[in-house]
Amino acid sequence: EPEVTQTPSHQVTQMGQEVILRCVPISNHLYFYWYRQILGQKVEFLVSFYNNEISEKSEIFDDQFSVERPDGSNFTLKIRSTKLEDSAMYFCASQGLAVTDTQYFGPGTRLTVL
Amino acid sequence: ELKVEQNPLFLSMQEGKNYTIYCNYSTTSDRLYWYRQDPGKSLESLFVLLSNGAVKQEGRLMASLDTKARLSTLHITAAVHDLSATYFCAVDLIIQGAQKLVFGQGTRLTINP
Repeated sequence: EPEVTQTPSHQVTQMGQEVILRCVPISNHLYFYWYRQILGQKVEFLVSFYNNEISEKSEIFDDQFSVERPDGSNFTLKIRSTKLEDSAMYFCASQGLAVTDTQYFGPGTRLTVL
Repeated sequence: ELKVEQNPLFLSMQEGKNYTIYCNYSTTSDRLYWYRQDPGKSLESLFVLLSNGAVKQEGRLMASLDTKARLSTLHITAAVHDLSATYFCAVDLIIQGAQKLVFGQGTRLTINP
């Protein structure tokens, strides 16, 4: 069964460093998302991406964040200058042909900022 | 702003018992999603409820949606240990042609033998 994959599974970085989190969505899916979950808390929407552009972003998704689909298969989230409060689990999700289809989540990348 | 609230947030129950998790949301939506999360793992889709009165069942879990009351329930029948997990409901907003899921806080379910 097709699945969303994410790399790395765990990333440790120093405050102020740039990180890139990678996702490979399910092929033929059209809608892509990033969410984050701070330990023990609920899942929060960050950004949605469709037709090679951002559709919607949350207040969390400030100028330090960017997304890209560089080659038609990968979908990346970049944090330019990480802060301690960026420590969280980051989930990528992809969705098929209809915007009301189920979103399928990847296994997540645990980001630890020291 | 769309708010999604679940209760209870923590639930400890005995195997074989029945219980219900409630999910209330603050604005009109016809679509609600239930996900399961095991510790340290990703979100697994359980149910997609797409209209008022929708009811779906899978094994010992049954989900329903009442859009007029802005309420969804996840009912567990004769609980077994394997159902121990955190359960999230999520309501969607369609913005600029893409979907944004707004999640509840999650209900951590522990089923004791």
